[in-house]
Formats: sequence, C-alpha cells, structure tokens
Amino acid sequence: EPEVTQTPSHQVTQMGQEVILRCVPISNHLYFYWYRQILGQKVEFLVSFYNNEISEKSEIFDDQFSVERPDGSNFTLKIRSTKLEDSAMYFCASNIRENQPQHFGDGTRLSIL
Amino acid sequence: AQTVTQSQPEMSVQEAETVTLSCTYDTSESNYYLFWYKQPPSRQMILVIRQEAYKQQNATENRFSVNFQKAAKSFSLKISDSQLGDTAMYFCAFMTSSNTGKLIFGQGTTLQVKP
Repeated sequence: EPEVTQTPSHQVTQMGQEVILRCVPISNHLYFYWYRQILGQKVEFLVSFYNNEISEKSEIFDDQFSVERPDGSNFTLKIRSTKLEDSAMYFCASNIRENQPQHFGDGTRLSIL
Repeated sequence: AQTVTQSQPEMSVQEAETVTLSCTYDTSESNYYLFWYKQPPSRQMILVIRQEAYKQQNATENRFSVNFQKAAKSFSLKISDSQLGDTAMYFCAFMTSSNTGKLIFGQGTTLQVKP
C-alpha cells in the first residue's frame, strides 16, 4: 500500500538555525498537510496546501514557517530561525480529496538545542 | 471555533474484552466528518474509522464501531474482542465540510490491552 514518507526521522538543530523537513506524499494525492505534536500534547494543525498554494494555516504557522512543493513529489516545511518551543514531532499528511481520510507519515522528531 | 474533547487520558482493557473510548465535539456546522486515528508506539497515525455527519448509520470497520450521537455531539469508539495490537494512543478528530481538509484533534486516549 502506498505510504507517506518523511525524512529525516530525527533532526537535532541549534536554536536560531534553519531547518527543512521533507515529505513525499502519496503520488496521486492532491492535498497536503503539516501537523505538529509537542510531547505529551495533542496533534495540532499547521497548514494545508493545494494547487501550489496554502489553503489554510493556523496561528502557529507564523512568518518563520513556509511550505513548498518544489517538484512533483516532495512537500517541505521550512522553519527559518528555530526556537526551543519548535521542538515537537512534525507529521506530514496527504489525501486525494480534502474530505477524504488523510494518510500520515511516520513523523520527524525535531529537537532544538 | 470547533473543539474536540477526549475526557479519558488512559484506559485499559483485558484481551478479548470490549472497550469504549469517548469523544465529544463542539461545532455550529451541520455537515462535517469525524474520524478515529490510532497511533501505536511506532508513531504512524493510522485511520481506524470515518463517519460522515449527514449519515445516521453508525460506521463499522470489523471490530471497530462508533456510536455517533449528532444531537449530543458525541462520537465514541467501541473496540470489540480487544487484541494486544490495539495498544496505542487513539485520537478523535473533526473536519468541517470546508475545502481545506484541516483536522482538529482531541487530546488522545492511551489504551493498554492487557493479556
């Protein structure tokens, strides 16, 4: 069964550095998402992306965050200048239509030192 | 704003028994979707079951079924014949019928299935 894949599985970065998290959604999916889960807390929506533009973003998704689909397969989340509070598990998800179940990747654990 | 509440942080059940996980939500919309996702220790979020609000019939998927009470804004998950592999964190999630696909999650319930 096709899967959403995320790399790396664990990223350790110094505070203030830029980080890029990578995702390869399922190939025929058209809608893409990023969520984050701070340790011990609920999963929170960050951003949804369709037709090469952001369709919705949360309050968390401020100017330090950006998303990009640089080619036909990758979907990236960039944090320009990381803060300690950005430490979390970041999940990528995709679906073929916006009201269909989303398929999630295994997540990237981001640790900011 | 929509909210999702799971009031049971942890639950346990004996293997082969039945367990029900609770979820309530708040919305002013009439059409929406509800989901239960499972997150095993391996981390990946896996869809368990989906319910469309306009459908009165409760969704079922093998040993998993829901009790959807629209008026009460309640969406509980029943797991029958619990198996050790059901041990995981379970998240209830809400999606509006808008065209962005945003999922709003509850806090999660950790389910431990004991042999």
